[in-house]
Amino acid sequence: GNSVTQMEGPVTLSEEAFLTINCTYTATGYPSLFWYVQYPGEGLQLLLKATKADDKGSNKGFEATYRKETTSFHLEKGSVQVSDSAVYFCALNTDKLIFGTGTRLQVFP
Amino acid sequence: DGGITQSPKYLFRKEGQNVTLSCEQNLNHDAMYWYRQDPGQGLRLIYYSQIVNDFQKGDIAEGYSVSREKKESFPLTVTSAQKNPTAFYLCASRDRGRLLTNYGYTFGSGTRLTVV
Repeated sequence: GNSVTQMEGPVTLSEEAFLTINCTYTATGYPSLFWYVQYPGEGLQLLLKATKADDKGSNKGFEATYRKETTSFHLEKGSVQVSDSAVYFCALNTDKLIFGTGTRLQVFP
Repeated sequence: DGGITQSPKYLFRKEGQNVTLSCEQNLNHDAMYWYRQDPGQGLRLIYYSQIVNDFQKGDIAEGYSVSREKKESFPLTVTSAQKNPTAFYLCASRDRGRLLTNYGYTFGSGTRLTVV
């Protein structure tokens, strides 16, 4: 069946460090891929998405590229800020949205 | 502004009682979803509905029930049969009129249910 695997957290970084959060998926067909972000006590917000192979989603300095050959959709940011501290979820969509377990990011000044 | 409203934000329930969580959207979306979030387990799908008067079980439907009498509303009832109901519940919606693979979901801000 379809599934998403994310790296376990927490990921702890200093401000301005480079961020990578790994995400790989298993799916039949050609799913769309998403990254969602959840700030403390809130629901999920769509961060970025990609709908086909080699697409790059980007938003607020975050990027992820849909890699069909490695079935991956890793999230990256060149310079993190304290305000980026949150839980990040990778997800794929066929007829329903399937999430990874989430990765908590903690950024310290 | 359009969006999804979940209420209440915090809910306390005594063991053995049923409780209903509200989810309302004014986005004119066809499909609605309920997810449960537990620490370290991500989000798991409870129930979903693609159109009014129709819904399907997700991965963890036992102990829950839903109805979809109106397009705007998709309430979730946590019954006394749910053995471990304390969790954070998220409602989401999506417009099926768009291409399935080209559109993300809109989420509510969640309801935290605690059994006391």
